[in-house]
Amino acid sequence: AQSVTQLDSQVPVFEEAPVELRCNYSSSVSVYLFWYVQYPNQGLQLLLKYLSGSTLVKGINGFEAEFNKSQTSFHLRKPSVHISDTAEYFCAVSNTGGGNKLTFGTGTQLKVEL
Amino acid sequence: GAGVSQSPSNKVTEKGKDVELRCDPISGHTALYWYRQRLGQGLEFLIYFQGNSAPDKSGLPSDRFSAERTGESVSTLTIQRTQQEDSAVYLCASSLAPPPGANVLTFGAGSRLTVL
Repeated sequence: AQSVTQLDSQVPVFEEAPVELRCNYSSSVSVYLFWYVQYPNQGLQLLLKYLSGSTLVKGINGFEAEFNKSQTSFHLRKPSVHISDTAEYFCAVSNTGGGNKLTFGTGTQLKVEL
Repeated sequence: GAGVSQSPSNKVTEKGKDVELRCDPISGHTALYWYRQRLGQGLEFLIYFQGNSAPDKSGLPSDRFSAERTGESVSTLTIQRTQQEDSAVYLCASSLAPPPGANVLTFGAGSRLTVL
């Protein structure tokens, strides 16, 4: 079974500063990796995904993440954050075999301050 | 439909009552998930349906929880004899299968359950 660890429950950052949200996963087989975002009072939506190919994936709103197989990580980054990026960010993993469920981390609350 | 639809959006019930939550997935999505999100916490997996395969019920917290899905359409999550600890937002999501479409989930807005 796979698992996901998001070590940082909260990350405060000033506007226009860079940010990295950490995600580590555990799985005995190949994985797909995802970041979902939940803006205040809204439902979850997909931010970006890694399925195969280039290990650097770009998502919406200027976010990107890099798949590092040796370190079993999929950290999310943005070079310059905006107030509107304040949200809860969830990392998720699934095995590449068809039909496997998606397992979420506990989430990281990103709070962007002026 | 265009998105995942959940009803009711809000439900307040008394301890000990049964509740039923409904999810209408996107047409053609064979995979359907139920998650629970307690206030200030992450997503807790409850149950997963994939086509006609036996559902993965490994996340259901107790035998008071059950879920059904009719073919590849509507799903209902039933909680019997509700407890205050059941208070949470119950999220439904659906996705296409097989990969790479699988597991790119589209979430509904959730059903907020409050048990008094």
